[in-house]
Amino acid sequence: QLMESGGGVVQPGGSLRLSCEASGISVNTYGMHWVRQAPGKGLEWVAFIRYDGSYEEYADSVKGRFTISRDNSRSTLYLQMHSLRPEDTAVYYCAKELGEYSGYGAEACDIWGQGTMVTVSS
Amino acid sequence: DIQMTQTPSSLSASIGDTVTITCRASQSIDTFLNWYQQKPGKAPKLLISAASSVQNGVPSRFSGTGTGTDFTLTITSLQPDDIATYCCHQSYNTPYTFGRGTKVEIK
Repeated sequence: QLMESGGGVVQPGGSLRLSCEASGISVNTYGMHWVRQAPGKGLEWVAFIRYDGSYEEYADSVKGRFTISRDNSRSTLYLQMHSLRPEDTAVYYCAKELGEYSGYGAEACDIWGQGTMVTVSS
Repeated sequence: DIQMTQTPSSLSASIGDTVTITCRASQSIDTFLNWYQQKPGKAPKLLISAASSVQNGVPSRFSGTGTGTDFTLTITSLQPDDIATYCCHQSYNTPYTFGRGTKVEIK
């Protein structure tokens, strides 16, 4: 399973780092995504990282503010978030891709974490 | 960005009915189309990948068709456990985008 942590309440302009730890499954050969869902809204893709960490992609809404990374020795995915805005308020999910060794994130996500809530508010 | 237009936004059907949800992409996405089921307070669950590949463990009453811009998710013989929101997802190119979802309720 995947287990996110690190969410919480932060003021606008603040920073948070989310973590996603895999247990019972191997994620080291799979691309990983962060996807978020604002309260009462649909899903929004945030970022992707290749299985070996050599390639990343971001949604325009977070580019330059968020950084995705991974530590395969710890089976852990991260999302470093800076300059947070109220519109970043959402449940953040990490998700594993369906196929191994995917290069560019063009895969469905078959395993998701339970999500961690990020609230940006003064 | 590729826009995913999903219809209807909600529907009400009886147990045993056949339910059809459609998703239209603003440009061709080949078969890079996935369907998820999401229940309140829970993470999405992958039902169908690559437009028509039903995932292991997903009941056979779920099926998907389509290619290019038009896709369909069909639930044959709706069951009480199928009450959820269903959304489509294009993984053709970034930014990967989702439909707004279809909320399925029991009549």
